[in-house]
Amino acid sequence: DAGITQSPRYKITETGRQVTLMCHQTWSHSYMFWYRQDLGHGLRLIYYSAAADITDKGEVPDGYVVSRSKTENFPLTLESATRSQTSVYFCASRETGVNTEAFFGQGTRLTVV
Amino acid sequence: QQQVKQSPQSLIVQKGGISIINCAYENTAFDYFPWYQQFPGKGPALLIAIRPDVSEKKEGRFTISFNKSAKQFSLHIMDSQPGDSATYFCAASHTGGGNKLTFGTGTQLKVEL
Repeated sequence: DAGITQSPRYKITETGRQVTLMCHQTWSHSYMFWYRQDLGHGLRLIYYSAAADITDKGEVPDGYVVSRSKTENFPLTLESATRSQTSVYFCASRETGVNTEAFFGQGTRLTVV
Repeated sequence: QQQVKQSPQSLIVQKGGISIINCAYENTAFDYFPWYQQFPGKGPALLIAIRPDVSEKKEGRFTISFNKSAKQFSLHIMDSQPGDSATYFCAASHTGGGNKLTFGTGTQLKVEL
């Protein structure tokens, strides 16, 4: 199926565990992004990537790691999960250009207990 | 720091009324201003967008008004319908800024019958 997909949709993990959220897009968009959504904060950028093997920090990168070995995949890893990382995580992709639309996945609801 | 400020946080409008959501930005380098609509359990989706070389853009019942000198832009939803009930996010990005979108904090709109 064409589009951008995230997995898992829901995840419960314990404090201190490592967890990886997956993101896959089929358009070969150059740019990919990870946002977290929290009430009162809107969508905050965690990390983004301009191309395979090129990543950069966003507004709230602490505690997260990303990689992008292939254009279509952009996994987000929480190295040692904390309760403050309980959130809904959205992956997005966007083609290069000034007015290009960003397409979002369905989100992953992560709960850290 | 919050580069894009959005208000109100929540809004209740009667069916057929006008919904107005406002955003203000700080970074004068921003040159693309989209609005995203998000339904519960879904990812945000592009609704309408504007560039700063025009003062208004209309698509159906949705209009963006843009005031470059005041660094403000707003979304107007005419003839609001219950199906418009969703969370709305304003956003901004700029050429050379890594194609990343900076979002406002969101407005929960409820349209009552």
